[in-house]
Formats: sequence, structure tokens, C-alpha cells
Amino acid sequence: GDSVTQMEGPVTLSEEAFLTINCTYTATGYPSLFWYVQYPGEGLQLLLKATKADDKGSNKGFEATYRKETTSFHLEKGSVQVSDSAVYFCALRERGSYIPTFGRGTSLIVHP
Amino acid sequence: DAGVIQSPRHEVTEMGQEVTLRCKPISGHNSLFWYRQTMMRGLELLIYFNNNVPIDDSGMPEDRFSAKMPNASFSTLKIQPSEPRDSAVYFCASTNTGQANYGYTFGSGTRLTVV
Repeated sequence: GDSVTQMEGPVTLSEEAFLTINCTYTATGYPSLFWYVQYPGEGLQLLLKATKADDKGSNKGFEATYRKETTSFHLEKGSVQVSDSAVYFCALRERGSYIPTFGRGTSLIVHP
Repeated sequence: DAGVIQSPRHEVTEMGQEVTLRCKPISGHNSLFWYRQTMMRGLELLIYFNNNVPIDDSGMPEDRFSAKMPNASFSTLKIQPSEPRDSAVYFCASTNTGQANYGYTFGSGTRLTVV
């Protein structure tokens, strides 16, 4: 079956540091890929998405590129802020399916 | 749009009591999902509705759990009787599967504590 593997957290960074959160996936078909963010006490929010190979999703300074050859969708940001502290979830959805598959989430803590 | 609305935000109940969680999806969305989130198991899909019809309830833990969607603007998740191991954050999410490349909109969740 489909699966999403994320690096274990927490990831702890100082403000303005570079962020990478790794995500790899296993899928039987050709999925769409997503990153969601969960701030404390809230639900998941869609951060960015990509639907085909080499697509780059971007939002709020975050980027991720759909790499079919390495089955990866790593999340990056050039300069993190304290307000980026949250849990980040990588997810996929196969074409023809309504149900997403989520990773376990990676907690990011940014210190001033 | 006000987004996906869940109520209550917090619920504390005694073991054995019935608990009902409520969800109002985004107007125009045709699919609704109930998830449970715990530290141990992460995010688990409990049940999914499409056009108000339950399509996949294989994630519902046991017969104590039931979900209904009587119309396009309302869904409930009921636990009867509740047990301490049901303590978790329960999320409702909705989407419009008729759109290309759709994402999912989550509510703020209901934090359930069973004592």
C-alpha cells in the first residue's frame, strides 16, 4: 500500500536558519503530493502541493519539489521564523482516490 | 467562508458516557472525513463520506464508534460507551472532489478526555 515517511523530530533551529524536512513516499500509481502544517491547538492547513514530476510547490517562503526519480518531496525554507514553529505533515493522494495518506508529522521548534 | 466548524472544542467525560462530536463542513464540499490524532498512532482516518454516504468506515475502531451525515452540512461522530483509550483529538475535514488537484480543509478539532 501507499506510505509516507518523514524524518523524526523535533527539528530545533535558531531563527533565520535554513530548514529541510525530508519526506519520501511509496505509491502504486502517480500521486499528488502535499505538505500540511499544524499550529498548536489547530487543525492541519494545506501549505503547498505538487501534482506532477518536477513541479515545485511554494507558499509563505516554503518550497518542495516533486522528485519522481527519488520518490521524495522535501520541504525547505531559506530563513525560518519563530512563528514557523509547528508540526509539518507530508501527504500523498493517488489519482482516482479520495483518501490522502499522511506521514507521522515532524515537529519544528524555532528559537529566537 | 468560516471554514470547517467543529464542536465542542474540548470535552471531558466519564468512562461509560456517550459522547457526540459535531462537524459542519465547508458549503459546497461533497466529501467529509473524520480523523483521530494521538501521539502514539499519529493521524488515523476513521470514516469518510462522499455525498453524505459513508464510503469507507474500515478505520472505525469498534462498534462503540458510529458516524452519521444526515445532510450535506452536518455530521456527527458518536462514541458509546466511551473509554479512557478514546482520549484523543478528533478532526473533521472536508473537500470538493470535483475540483482538480483538491486539498483538504480541517477543522480545529475536538480534544476529548475520558476519565
